[in-house]
Amino acid sequence: ETGVTQSPTHLIKTRGQQVTLRCSSQSGHNTVSWYQQALGQGPQFIFQYYREEENGRGNFPPRFSGLQFPNYSSELNVNALELDDSALYLCASSPTGASYEQYFGPGTRLTVT
Amino acid sequence: KQEVTQIPAALSVPEGENLVLNCSFTDSAIYNLQWFRQDPGKGLTSLLLIQSSQREQTSGRLNASLDKSSGRSTLYIAASQPGDSATYLCAVPFPSGSARQLTFGSGTQLTVLP
Repeated sequence: ETGVTQSPTHLIKTRGQQVTLRCSSQSGHNTVSWYQQALGQGPQFIFQYYREEENGRGNFPPRFSGLQFPNYSSELNVNALELDDSALYLCASSPTGASYEQYFGPGTRLTVT
Repeated sequence: KQEVTQIPAALSVPEGENLVLNCSFTDSAIYNLQWFRQDPGKGLTSLLLIQSSQREQTSGRLNASLDKSSGRSTLYIAASQPGDSATYLCAVPFPSGSARQLTFGSGTQLTVLP
């Protein structure tokens, strides 16, 4: 069974640019969530996708957007990057059912200069 | 709004000690509580998941307890080893609309000295 994978591992962007991060969910999982983790903090919920529809959103501006594809993989897009967007971005997938257990990928480290 | 607090923020112990990490949450209407381990710059590894109907869960040297009424959970690590050095995070699902977001504490950074 393949776990959650994310790409790229690291990324450096300039303020004002746009970035796309990718996530492949664990086999059999149809729900994907994205989290932002600043240094020294716990992850903060960005949004969740279920069957290709956004299924809830945290306190993040509209320049954070996402997609989920029919194979349940997902993208996180961030426009007009700001210095404060520098963080570890984590993707988590969860199976159907009400267990709520989420399985995390290794993350993408984004640095905005 | 659910808030999760972890105390202490950092802990340093000699190898072999038994230790307890604490997690508290403000809204007791949780479905479960999950403990994670995070190595520096890495993703999260799930350690234990306690359902709201359970009082504790055990995995090897780890034991997690849950007291919903008081809004607390503890993670007990027996006979600590240098390889246990990492940040430990607790999280509870807090429905946002129909989403099942996890609300995390800020973590306890554990260092086990050889």
